[in-house]
Amino acid sequence: GDSVTQMEGPVTLSEEAFLTINCTYTATGYPSLFWYVQYPGEGLQLLLKATKADDKGSNKGFEATYRKETTSFHLEKGSVQVSDSAVYFCALSDQSNNDMRFGAGTRLTVKP
Amino acid sequence: DADVTQTPRNRITKTGKRIMLECSQTKGHDRMYWYRQDPGLGLRLIYYSFDVKDINKGEISDGYSVSRQAQAKFSLSLESAIPNQTALYFCATSDLPSGTSTDTQYFGPGTRLTVL
Repeated sequence: GDSVTQMEGPVTLSEEAFLTINCTYTATGYPSLFWYVQYPGEGLQLLLKATKADDKGSNKGFEATYRKETTSFHLEKGSVQVSDSAVYFCALSDQSNNDMRFGAGTRLTVKP
Repeated sequence: DADVTQTPRNRITKTGKRIMLECSQTKGHDRMYWYRQDPGLGLRLIYYSFDVKDINKGEISDGYSVSRQAQAKFSLSLESAIPNQTALYFCATSDLPSGTSTDTQYFGPGTRLTVL
């Protein structure tokens, strides 16, 4: 079945460092891809999404490009802030069955 | 007010007890979901409902049941709780997909359940 694999954490960075969190997927159809963020004590919030190959999702300085050839959707940010500390989840949704699959999550801690 | 609310936010119970977790939404969405979150495993889908008359099992439905009382309400029950059901439970909602729109999900704040 469909699945998502993302890099294990935790990831600890200094403020203004460059962030990459890797995500790869396996899907039989043509899924939509998502990054969700979970701040401490809260539910997940959509960070960005892409619906087809070569689409780039972006929000709050984060971006990710839907790469069909490498089945990847890596999350990047050029300069992280302390407020970006959270758990980040990669996910896919196969529109043929509306089944959303999440990766295990990557905890990011940004230190001043 | 939050669009997706869950009650209770925290619950401690004993093995064998029946537990109900409730979810309400004001987004007007037809689709609702229940997930559990465990460390290192991400979120796993328990049940989902596409409308009031439609209930579907997810990846890990054993030991759980659900009820869709209305478009806005979707409750999750543990008929006889066991310790490995200790987890963080999330309710979510989404719109019907149309054209190229995607199934963005909107999550509640979660219910932390501990089964002793």
